[in-house]
Amino acid sequence: EVQLVESGGGLVQPGRSLKLSCAASGFTFSNYGMHWIRQAPTKGLEWVASISPSGGSTYYRDSVKGRFTISRDNAKSTLYLQMDSLRSEDTATYYCATLDAWGQGASVTVSS
Amino acid sequence: DIQMTQSPASLSASLGETISIECRASEDIYSNLAWYQQKSGKSPQLLIYAANRLQDGVPSRFSGSGSGTQYSLKISGMQPEDEGDYFCLQGSKFPLTFGSGTKLEIK
Repeated sequence: EVQLVESGGGLVQPGRSLKLSCAASGFTFSNYGMHWIRQAPTKGLEWVASISPSGGSTYYRDSVKGRFTISRDNAKSTLYLQMDSLRSEDTATYYCATLDAWGQGASVTVSS
Repeated sequence: DIQMTQSPASLSASLGETISIECRASEDIYSNLAWYQQKSGKSPQLLIYAANRLQDGVPSRFSGSGSGTQYSLKISGMQPEDEGDYFCLQGSKFPLTFGSGTKLEIK
């Protein structure tokens, strides 16, 4: 069974950093492109970033370019999202996904 | 960026009713379209991929169709467990973009 388990969410002040992790199991992680998708409270879904199976290619939405970094460790079957210079508008539940399968989400609140 | 225009924003259906949700892309997305269902407090679940391919384990009352810029999700015979939010996602080009969602309720 495919499992994606996010961790690392929490409350953080504007301008500070947070790193999300996503532990994957039940499939060959190194064969899949991976994605971070977020959902602000009571809002729709918003794609954040993607990474190729090898990690050699990364893609970001404009509003997080230069602030967020997606990475992966295929030996550990783990996906990461380093979030720097956080803003209030980054407040959301962050999902790790293959697009076929999604994690349960990690809540990130940016507030002073 | 490819804009995904989803309609309707909300829908109320009776048990057994057939309903459709539409997504229109701002350019050709070559059937790179998926449909998701999200129930309250839960993560999205994939229903349809590649515009018309039913994900394993999804009831056959769900179907997808379309090509080019126009796509639709049909539920043939609304069931109580179908209540929730539905989103389309285009995977043709980065940035990936979602429709704004349809809230489906039982009448």
